[in-house]
Amino acid sequence: AQTVTQSQPEMSVQEAETVTLSCTYDTSENNYYLFWYKQPPSRQMILVIRQEAYKQQNATENRFSVNFQKAAKSFSLKISDSQLGDTAMYFCAFMKHVDAEGQETSGSRLTFGEGTQLTVNP
Amino acid sequence: GAVVSQHPSRVICKSGTSVKIECRSLDFQATTMFWYRQFPKQSLMLMATSNEGSKATYEQGVEKDKFLINHASLTLSTLTVTSAHPEDSSFYICSARWGYEQYFGPGTRLTVT
Repeated sequence: AQTVTQSQPEMSVQEAETVTLSCTYDTSENNYYLFWYKQPPSRQMILVIRQEAYKQQNATENRFSVNFQKAAKSFSLKISDSQLGDTAMYFCAFMKHVDAEGQETSGSRLTFGEGTQLTVNP
Repeated sequence: GAVVSQHPSRVICKSGTSVKIECRSLDFQATTMFWYRQFPKQSLMLMATSNEGSKATYEQGVEKDKFLINHASLTLSTLTVTSAHPEDSSFYICSARWGYEQYFGPGTRLTVT
């Protein structure tokens, strides 16, 4: 079974500064996906960024980037130029690989970490 | 982008009654949908996985007779909380899988009085 651990229950950062959220995971799989989701006060889950394990290059989406260390099973999220709208709960998630046709395979569920509440202060 | 809707967004019911929550994928067909439960300041807890046209797979500890899931079409899954009790009060979230991504509904706040 896979496990995902987020060791920082709460973090805060000043507006315009940079913050890094930590995530580690444990799996025996070689092919998998990693995700960061954001859940603002509205509670709508929003995909922030995803990483395929077979890709060595770290994923980047505008102000959001990850540091993916496969051997260390670490997947941290860096938020640059933090904005007030970034205030949210952030969840790291793991999913085993699905085949190219997107067919259902056992275990295509997401395994979530406990979450990190990020507060961006003005 | 892929959109998933949930209805209702909020529901208050009396103890002993049943409540149905709908989850729809609006612009794509989802062979697999997931139902989660979330308590305040906690992570999402997977309750069950539903595949179109087949019985749902429930996670350990989830009562299948209390939480009835029907995935009748490629765009609709329903969760019925039967004989609801105050301890069933929670935030319920569905998601629909498309390719290797899951798209989440906005959630349903259930309050049982």
